Amino acid sequence: DTGVSQNPRHKITKRGQNVTFRCDPISEHNRLYWYRQTLGQGPEFLTYFQNEAQLEKSRLLSDRFSAERPKGSFSTLEIQRTEQGDSAMYLCASSLAYIRGGGYTEAFFGQGTRLTVV
Amino acid sequence: GQQLNQSPQSMFIQEGEDVSMNCTSSSIFNTWLWYKQDPGEGPVLLIALYKAGELTSNGRLTAQFGITRKDSFLNISASIPSDVGIYFCAGPERETSGSRLTFGEGTQLTVNP
Repeated sequence: DTGVSQNPRHKITKRGQNVTFRCDPISEHNRLYWYRQTLGQGPEFLTYFQNEAQLEKSRLLSDRFSAERPKGSFSTLEIQRTEQGDSAMYLCASSLAYIRGGGYTEAFFGQGTRLTVV
Repeated sequence: GQQLNQSPQSMFIQEGEDVSMNCTSSSIFNTWLWYKQDPGEGPVLLIALYKAGELTSNGRLTAQFGITRKDSFLNISASIPSDVGIYFCAGPERETSGSRLTFGEGTQLTVNP
């Protein structure tokens, strides 16, 4: 396993179209996160899963956004009726949920999917 | 929500120079993380800090966790061209393992050969 994999790397779509991105996490990681990053900003949290359960959603995740992780492995992020403001890099990360002794468990990021809405 | 403020926003230095950047927070973090992001790539973790006052090194990188738990700095010594990129500080929103991260806005570093 070489790390978190995201597809496609780039997506150009017309406003109003639907797009779907895929993330394959590191195989033993049970937590999977989606972040959005706009130019000149740090990544902003969108949502995360533990196994197949979606445990938290940011208020940034409007009704047009939906994420799934049906078998607790790969995840998809769909944006319906895209708007120009959706143009951004969409980053996926994965981590273990727990480590022995507690504490922060490192999140590993994929290379991202850059979305351009024209 | 929690906010992280990084400074400077950008730096232009000559190869071989030392670099210092910092990050301040409006609230306490119990873990501080420093990431680097190359163009077209995702962030990569450089250093993680877990205790107030902790000073940790990773090669030419050194980071410190401020004793107030509201700040951290990252130093890069003897910069080289491959140090170019955006450096982000980040912290977990909660102390539970695997918590979502809050990121600063980044410091863009340019190294002139």
